[in-house]
Amino acid sequence: DSGVTQTPKHLITATGQRVTLRCSPRSGDLSVYWYQQSLDQGLQFLIQYYNGEERAKGNILERFSAQQFPDLHSELNLSSLELGDSALYFCASSGDRGDSTDTQYFGPGTRLTVL
Amino acid sequence: QQQVKQSPQSLIVQKGGISIINCAYENTAFDYFPWYQQFPGKGPALLIAIRPDVSEKKEGRFTISFNKSAKQFSLHIMDSQPGDSATYFCAASMRHSSASKIIFGSGTRLSIRP
Repeated sequence: DSGVTQTPKHLITATGQRVTLRCSPRSGDLSVYWYQQSLDQGLQFLIQYYNGEERAKGNILERFSAQQFPDLHSELNLSSLELGDSALYFCASSGDRGDSTDTQYFGPGTRLTVL
Repeated sequence: QQQVKQSPQSLIVQKGGISIINCAYENTAFDYFPWYQQFPGKGPALLIAIRPDVSEKKEGRFTISFNKSAKQFSLHIMDSQPGDSATYFCAASMRHSSASKIIFGSGTRLSIRP
């Protein structure tokens, strides 16, 4: 158990809808990262937050947005959903010591299915 | 320059054999190279990592070999077991704007045949 929690575990919705994925980082971790993993594909970095502020942006679509709240939990909002958005969405957290050896601890993921 | 290239995409090895996964990078600013292991239905987890000032790091049956001049590194799994069947991601990390920046490879799906 990495200490990172994600809810819900599974989500089934229809095209055009909007969903919110939630992540609680490990106790004490200030950084939260969001990744998308499509079938048989690698980890696509979406966005990183550090202590409530956006720190880095990857291949995140304009239909997607995220935020990190004062209690450090984070939410990823996906809107105007398309079939191609069906994927596993992972959240990771790190202690962000400021050097390159920060380990990212991944949550169990949310499997999103868009019908 | 930010890419980490990983090969092969998939690998099948007999039980007891050696599994080898290769990665290459271009940006010499990377200074930490972790490997993550992901089992089906789970999130990736750190397996082993190496700094570029050493050429090899071994933890049990898992060994990272690092070639700084060639900008290549590889994961060797000795005496591969069915329980090692998973997807493996190499990664490269650097310090960036007082934080770490990590780039993942595309992943290798490893299957160990009993």
